[in-house]
Amino acid sequence: EDQVTQSPEALRLQEGESSSLNCSYTVSGLRGLFWYRQDPGKGPEFLFTLYSAGEEKEKERLKATLTKKESFLHITAPKPEDSATYLCAVQAKAAQKLVFGQGTRLTINP
Amino acid sequence: GAGVSQSPSNKVTEKGKDVELRCDPISGHTALYWYRQSLGQGLEFLIYFQGNSAPDKSGLPSDRFSAERTGGSVSTLTIQRTQQEDSAVYLCASSSEGRYTFKQFFGPGTRLTVL
Repeated sequence: EDQVTQSPEALRLQEGESSSLNCSYTVSGLRGLFWYRQDPGKGPEFLFTLYSAGEEKEKERLKATLTKKESFLHITAPKPEDSATYLCAVQAKAAQKLVFGQGTRLTINP
Repeated sequence: GAGVSQSPSNKVTEKGKDVELRCDPISGHTALYWYRQSLGQGLEFLIYFQGNSAPDKSGLPSDRFSAERTGGSVSTLTIQRTQQEDSAVYLCASSSEGRYTFKQFFGPGTRLTVL
């Protein structure tokens, strides 16, 4: 069964303090790994798709990387507006659905 | 263009009543998905539509749950004889077909509370 585990569950940082969020996964043939951002009371907002080990993508202060077993979301010099829950999901080659992790709730203090 | 829209945004109902939740996908998106997000649980897949057919219904938790899609566009998720454990945020997503691009765009969700 496809599975995604995210750590930590919650992370508190000071503004400007860089860190990484982890997403470990098992999947029967990876089609893609997805990162989403979710603000309270809203639907998930798409950030990145990664397709193969070694791939990296960047957007502003965020960089996502992928290995055969895990993905990292690196956040560099975060700002308070980066506070949100970050969700990781995998899509298997034989399926259309996304399998999500429980998310990491990130808080950036000014 | 407009994103995925869902209605109502909030729904409070009594145990045993039926509810209908609506999703309007992004125009031109052929694939549509329903997910459920409960407190303490991650997002759980419910059902996937390609056009008007549903090749994957594996996530529907019981036969009280059903969904349909008409005209390759609007979808309705129906929950019959609601139970308190059905309380959750129901999210709809849509995506376009593409060889490598399968990113799903989510709506704001419908928060369902069963009293």
